[in-house]
Amino acid sequence: SAVISQKPSRDICQRGTSLTIQCQVDSQVTMMFWYRQQPGQSLTLIATANQGSEATYESGFVIDKFPISRPNLTFSTLTVSNMSPEDSSIYLCSVAGTGAGELFFGEGSRLTVL
Amino acid sequence: GIQVEQSPPDLILQEGANSTLRCNFSDSVNNLQWFHQNPWGQLINLFYIPSGTKQNGRLSATTVATERYSLLYISSSQTTDSGVYFCAVGPLEGGSYIPTFGRGTSLIVHP
Repeated sequence: SAVISQKPSRDICQRGTSLTIQCQVDSQVTMMFWYRQQPGQSLTLIATANQGSEATYESGFVIDKFPISRPNLTFSTLTVSNMSPEDSSIYLCSVAGTGAGELFFGEGSRLTVL
Repeated sequence: GIQVEQSPPDLILQEGANSTLRCNFSDSVNNLQWFHQNPWGQLINLFYIPSGTKQNGRLSATTVATERYSLLYISSSQTTDSGVYFCAVGPLEGGSYIPTFGRGTSLIVHP
C-alpha cells in the first residue's frame, strides 16, 4: 500500500480566491488522480495527473479552473481557482498501486468557500 | 461508461446486527474495491476483490464477476462501522482502469 499525505486537511476560503492542495506519496507511482466529493455525493474524478505532461481532464472539468502540476513521481498539486461556494467539497488525491490498479487515497482536503 | 448501483442507499442498525451491502455493475471489470468513508471524510480501503471471496475480521466480501455484482457483509456491527460504504469498479477493456464509484450506502449503527 501507499502512504499519501494531503495538505491542507481543511480550509475556509473567500469567494474569488484560489487554493492549492498538495499531495505527497511515500513511493514513486505512475498514476495519480484527483477526485472531488461534493456534500452528500459520491466521488467524481477531476483529472489524471501525468508526470511530465499535461493532466488529462474528465468531462466537465477544465484546466483553467483546476490547474494540476505533477513535477515528479511522488508529488502533485491541484489548484481550485476563482472559487465560488459551489466549489465547497472534499478534494481527494489518489494513487494506483502496482499491478491491476488498486486505489489508495489521501486523507482529503475539506474546502469551504464563503 | 460503466454504471455502478449500490443498495440499499441508507441503512440503520442496532449494534450487534448483521448486514449485507450490494454493488451491481453494468459491464465486465477487472478491478473492484470496497471503501469505508468515516465521518471525518477519510476513505479506508476494505477490500480489493475483482472476484472471489475475502474476509477480514467481522467484514467479508464476495464478487461474482460473471453475474456483475459484489456483496459486502458486516457481522456484529459496531458504532465505529458507521459511515458511507463505496464500491468502485474498473472496466476490463479499454485503455483505462480508472474506477467508477457507486453512490454509496450510508450506514448508521446505534448503540
